[in-house]
Amino acid sequence: AQSVTQLDSQVPVFEEAPVELRCNYSSSVSVYLFWYVQYPNQGLQLLLKYLSGSTLVKGINGFEAEFNKSQTSFHLRKPSVHISDTAEYFCAVSGSGGYQKVTFGTGTKLQVIP
Amino acid sequence: NAGVTQTPKFQVLKTGQSMTLQCAQDMNHNSMYWYRQDPGMGLRLIYYSASEGTTDKGEVPNGYNVSRLNKREFSLRLESAAPSQTSVYFCASSEAGRGGREQFFGPGTRLTVL
Repeated sequence: AQSVTQLDSQVPVFEEAPVELRCNYSSSVSVYLFWYVQYPNQGLQLLLKYLSGSTLVKGINGFEAEFNKSQTSFHLRKPSVHISDTAEYFCAVSGSGGYQKVTFGTGTKLQVIP
Repeated sequence: NAGVTQTPKFQVLKTGQSMTLQCAQDMNHNSMYWYRQDPGMGLRLIYYSASEGTTDKGEVPNGYNVSRLNKREFSLRLESAAPSQTSVYFCASSEAGRGGREQFFGPGTRLTVL
């Protein structure tokens, strides 16, 4: 079984400040990890994903995440946020072998304050 | 390409009524999914179809049925709606095969059961 924990349900941050959204996962097998973003009244879209290789993954809109196997974490970071980054962010995990369902976290709402 | 489309966008039902949520994708994806999104609970998988001709239960299948009509279309049916089924429903699709595949989401159906 696999699970994802996003400890912060809401994160307020001032515009142009850095932000980190935390994600921890639990799995008994090798995993793939994802971050999705959901803008108001829209479906989810992929920000970035980690499959293998370099533990630092770069995504769209200036976001990046670092896979830390020893701490079972996959935190999302951006050095300088913009008002347009206001959205809900979901961390997700799937197993790496064969057909695997994806398990989503409960989401973190990022509120960028002007 | 329209991607993943869902109809209707909004629906209000009375307890006990039935309805079918429609989903179609034009990306030639083999796998399709139905999720529900509730505040503070993230996305929970209702049913999925790994490939045309197969469907399987997800995390919260009770009260729902699905039909994979063909490779493009995957419908979700509520036979006797209950207030607990008030939610936002998302359909998604992905390529088949090994894990790590990006899921593409529709815009959602906002359902209220009175």
